[in-house]
Amino acid sequence: ILNVEQSPQSLHVQEGDSTNFTCSFPSSNFYALHWYRWETAKSPEALFVMTLNGDEKKKGRISATLNTKEGYSYLYIKGSQPEDSATYLCASWGDEKLTFGTGTRLTIIP
Amino acid sequence: NAGVTQTPKFQVLKTGQSMTLQCAQDMNHEYMYWYRQDPGMGLRLIHYSVGEGTTAKGEVPDGYNVSRLKKQNFLLGLESAAPSQTSVYFCASSHARGTSGRTDTQYFGPGTRLTVL
Repeated sequence: ILNVEQSPQSLHVQEGDSTNFTCSFPSSNFYALHWYRWETAKSPEALFVMTLNGDEKKKGRISATLNTKEGYSYLYIKGSQPEDSATYLCASWGDEKLTFGTGTRLTIIP
Repeated sequence: NAGVTQTPKFQVLKTGQSMTLQCAQDMNHEYMYWYRQDPGMGLRLIHYSVGEGTTAKGEVPDGYNVSRLKKQNFLLGLESAAPSQTSVYFCASSHARGTSGRTDTQYFGPGTRLTVL
């Protein structure tokens, strides 16, 4: 079974500060890494899908990088805003299925 | 465009009762999925379907059955509910543009919160 781990489990960040968190995944049989944003009482929404080593994707103030050789991805949020408060899920495609991590719960303090 | 919808939103069952969770998508997606979300665990795949009339087992299929009679609908059945099936259930769908859905964005429904007493 694939183990996808995310750290930290939770994070409190002052509004305006930048932050980042990690997703670790087995590098063998890797095909794709997905990031989702999940607000309380809503459905997970896709942020990025990444496949290539060294890939970097950006969406507004949020960006992500991928290292497939060592099996990790970083998600960065620049200048955090209250609306960034959510759980950020990563999921790795390997062994013909998508395996999700348990998420990093981000709270932005006004 | 409603996206992915699920019914019901909440359900309470007694042990041994049966029920069907319904999922519908209006995006003409080929692939559909059922996940369960439990505290401290990531979303776990129960069953999935790569097209109308086809279904396959995921990571935690025991105690569940599924059917995909129409492309837009994916039903999850519990024949004899058990307290261990208390969970939040999410349905998702994807286009299947990528090989075997590997790079496809999955679109999630709002979830069904199920409690089995």
